[in-house]
Amino acid sequence: GENVEQHPSTLSVQEGDSAVIKCTYSDSASNYFPWYKQELGKGPQLIIDIRSNVGEKKDQRIAVTLNKTAKHFSLHITETQPEDSAVYFCAGSLISGYALNFGKGTSLLVTP
Amino acid sequence: DADVTQTPRNRITKTGKRIMLECSQTKGHDRMYWYRQDPGLGLRLIYYSFDVKDINKGEISDGYSVSRQAQAKFSLSLESAIPNQTALYFCATSDFASGRRETQYFGPGTRLLVL
Repeated sequence: GENVEQHPSTLSVQEGDSAVIKCTYSDSASNYFPWYKQELGKGPQLIIDIRSNVGEKKDQRIAVTLNKTAKHFSLHITETQPEDSAVYFCAGSLISGYALNFGKGTSLLVTP
Repeated sequence: DADVTQTPRNRITKTGKRIMLECSQTKGHDRMYWYRQDPGLGLRLIYYSFDVKDINKGEISDGYSVSRQAQAKFSLSLESAIPNQTALYFCATSDFASGRRETQYFGPGTRLLVL
């Protein structure tokens, strides 16, 4: 089955700096890659996703890049703010499938 | 997501007790899922249901059972709880008929402690 690895497990940045979280996947058939943000005491919330027919997608301060050849994808957050502090999860799956295979999460801390 | 609710939000139980976690959704989605989250392990799929009559085991179904009482309701049961089932449990939904069938929406979670 699909194996998704996520790095780093913890990340601390200063407000205004950029943050990058990287994930690799094992199944070359995977074609859907969402990113979820989980705030304390809440469920994961989808913040951005990308399908394998696209190399990059942006939404305001958040962007995701995908390298199908290398089987890795990354989340980029620019101009970080304290409210970006949370645990971020990447996942991989098939668009036609059902199971999201999650990475182990990255705890991001943005310090003022 | 307020469209997906889970009850209870917190539960403490003892080893050997039967416990049920409930999930309800008002999104009108056909597919529902139960995940378990452990510190440092991410989320793992326990069971999933494509519709009321279609229930399937996920990656870690041993020790759990589920019931899909209606399209909007999906319950997870621990028949005889054990301490290593202490975890955060999430329900999720997706809409197969939509143009974003792969997107899953999560509830707020149930924190379970088995003593």
